[in-house]
Amino acid sequence: NAGVTQTPKFQVLKTGQSMTLQCAQDMNHNSMYWYRQDPGMGLRLIYYSASEGTTDKGEVPNGYNVSRLNKREFSLRLESAAPSQTSVYFCASSELLAGVEQFFGPGTRLTVL
Amino acid sequence: KQEVTQIPAALSVPEGENLVLNCSFTDSAIYNLQWFRQDPGKGLTSLLLIQSSQREQTSGRLNASLDKSSGRSTLYIAASQPGDSATYLCAVIWAGNMLTFGGGTRLMVKP
Repeated sequence: NAGVTQTPKFQVLKTGQSMTLQCAQDMNHNSMYWYRQDPGMGLRLIYYSASEGTTDKGEVPNGYNVSRLNKREFSLRLESAAPSQTSVYFCASSELLAGVEQFFGPGTRLTVL
Repeated sequence: KQEVTQIPAALSVPEGENLVLNCSFTDSAIYNLQWFRQDPGKGLTSLLLIQSSQREQTSGRLNASLDKSSGRSTLYIAASQPGDSATYLCAVIWAGNMLTFGGGTRLMVKP
């Protein structure tokens, strides 16, 4: 039981390049989330998926797109990376959407030059 | 808008001390509150989840309390150890499982 896994662990991009961050969970959870963590800003919600087939914007969605590929996988795409997107990205999952414990992956450290 | 504040931002204590970390939130309409631990360069590990109807939760040397009416939670760590050194984050779950985090308390326990 690996919990929540993320790939890659590290990535360096040039401004304007695109990439997709992958997340998978093996806990049969319905809801999945993408957060970014920045010094002095804490963790902020980018997008979330309440269940397979649905996605919604969080606090900071601009510049990102997501895909809930199936119940296990939730990807985050940067279409045209900007230096402001340099951050650590965390994926999380929970059994239900409302008021339950969230479990986090190890994170992806992204640097945009 | 929900705002979560953690005080202090950093704390250094000698091994063996009991300590309290504080978390406050502005909107008391929460589903629950979750405490996490984050080691440098690592992800978040869930420590305790307190439901809005509960007043406290305990796990080993950790005890978390919740006072919704005053918008406060505390994490009590008994008999601190160097292995407890990490950043501790609190997060409130509200409005459709929106999780709002505090800025964290960076704890150093010295041998």
